[in-house]
Amino acid sequence: GNSVTQMEGPVTLSEEAFLTINCTYTATGYPSLFWYVQYPGEGLQLLLKATKADDKGSNKGFEATYRKETTSFHLEKGSVQVSDSAVYFCALRGGSQGNLIFGKGTKLSVKP
Amino acid sequence: GAGVSQSPRYKVTKRGQDVALRCDPISGHVSLYWYRQALGQGPEFLTYFNYEAQQDKSGLPNDRFSAERPEGSISTLTIQRTEQRDSAMYRCASSLRQGGLATNEKLFFGSGTQLSVL
Repeated sequence: GNSVTQMEGPVTLSEEAFLTINCTYTATGYPSLFWYVQYPGEGLQLLLKATKADDKGSNKGFEATYRKETTSFHLEKGSVQVSDSAVYFCALRGGSQGNLIFGKGTKLSVKP
Repeated sequence: GAGVSQSPRYKVTKRGQDVALRCDPISGHVSLYWYRQALGQGPEFLTYFNYEAQQDKSGLPNDRFSAERPEGSISTLTIQRTEQRDSAMYRCASSLRQGGLATNEKLFFGSGTQLSVL
């Protein structure tokens, strides 16, 4: 079945450091891929998405490229801020499925 | 409404009691989803609706769990004879278009109901 694996946290970085959170997936067909973010005390919200191979999703300085050859969708940001501290979830939706399948989440803490 | 609203925000109950969790999706959103999220884990799919029709309930852990959305808007997730292992954050989400037809559709999540079974 479809599944998502993302790197375990927590990840602690200093402000302006480079961020990578790895995500790989297993799916039949051509899933859509997503990164959701959960800020402290809030619900999940969509950060970015990509719907086909080689697509790059981007938002708020974050980027992720849909790599079919490596079944990956790694999240990157060149210079993190304290306000980026949150839990990040990689997710996929495949074929005719209605539901999203989430990874376990990676907690990011950015220190000033 | 402006966002997905869930109530209650917190629910503490004794083992063996029934609980009903409510979700009010964004007005006009066709699809409504229920997820359960244990501490330190990602959301785990439970069930979803397109309009009033339950499309997929494969994620419901057992027959103590049920959900309904009788008028295609507000939904209730009911857990009967609660057990301690049911303790988790229960999250509702909605999307504008039908789940299953648009794989790139964005989900809007509520803040969740934190259920604690003592």
